[in-house]
Amino acid sequence: GAVVSQHPSRVICKSGTSVKIECRSLDFQATTMFWYRQFPKKSLMLMATSNEGSKATYEQGVEKDKFLINHASLTLSTLTVTSAHPEDSSFYICSARDSARVYYTFGSGTRLTVV
Amino acid sequence: GQQVMQIPQYQHVQEGEDFTTYCNSSTTLSNIQWYKQRPGGHPVFLIQLVKSGEVKKQKRLTFQFGEAKKNSSLHITATQTTDVGTYFCAGNGGGANNLFFGTGTRLTVIP
Repeated sequence: GAVVSQHPSRVICKSGTSVKIECRSLDFQATTMFWYRQFPKKSLMLMATSNEGSKATYEQGVEKDKFLINHASLTLSTLTVTSAHPEDSSFYICSARDSARVYYTFGSGTRLTVV
Repeated sequence: GQQVMQIPQYQHVQEGEDFTTYCNSSTTLSNIQWYKQRPGGHPVFLIQLVKSGEVKKQKRLTFQFGEAKKNSSLHITATQTTDVGTYFCAGNGGGANNLFFGTGTRLTVIP
């Protein structure tokens, strides 16, 4: 139980284009989902908290207009990296918590490469 | 802001040796969780500690939560190659719903 699916797992895009990453809770509803960014051999940095039906809460230093988050349903949150640049290349991971459990379940992550 | 530091950053051990990673938070935590991330994978939940001074065991893994609820440790006895990965502690303070991850300790086990 408590499965989170994330797509795509890998994406390569050109500079200036936008990329959408989807995060779905498959067997539970998630009013809140979390988006992290991870650089190679580094820890997970919380980017934003995605709230179903309302605006996301962004961590300090994260550009809202750059990383658009939409949480339109109880099982889906999307992260759109707009006008991507090479420095946006990273591993992006989402997570959510089934209210019946204490732990957070993570998606398998998306490796974004901007060329 | 909340900071969660872990030491060491890297640890290489011979298979069969013990391993310990330490986690320190700048603020008091309501609970602490430990996750393991295999190379190329995503974090997987290991355990949660809630009470001050709590100790929990999972086979060869022993987890401790400090009395002040600001630090924690994970000890692995007699490491195996399957223990390879990065171990993260993660906490949330007060009423926060989100997790802040520690800096992680990358464990390499040499056969």
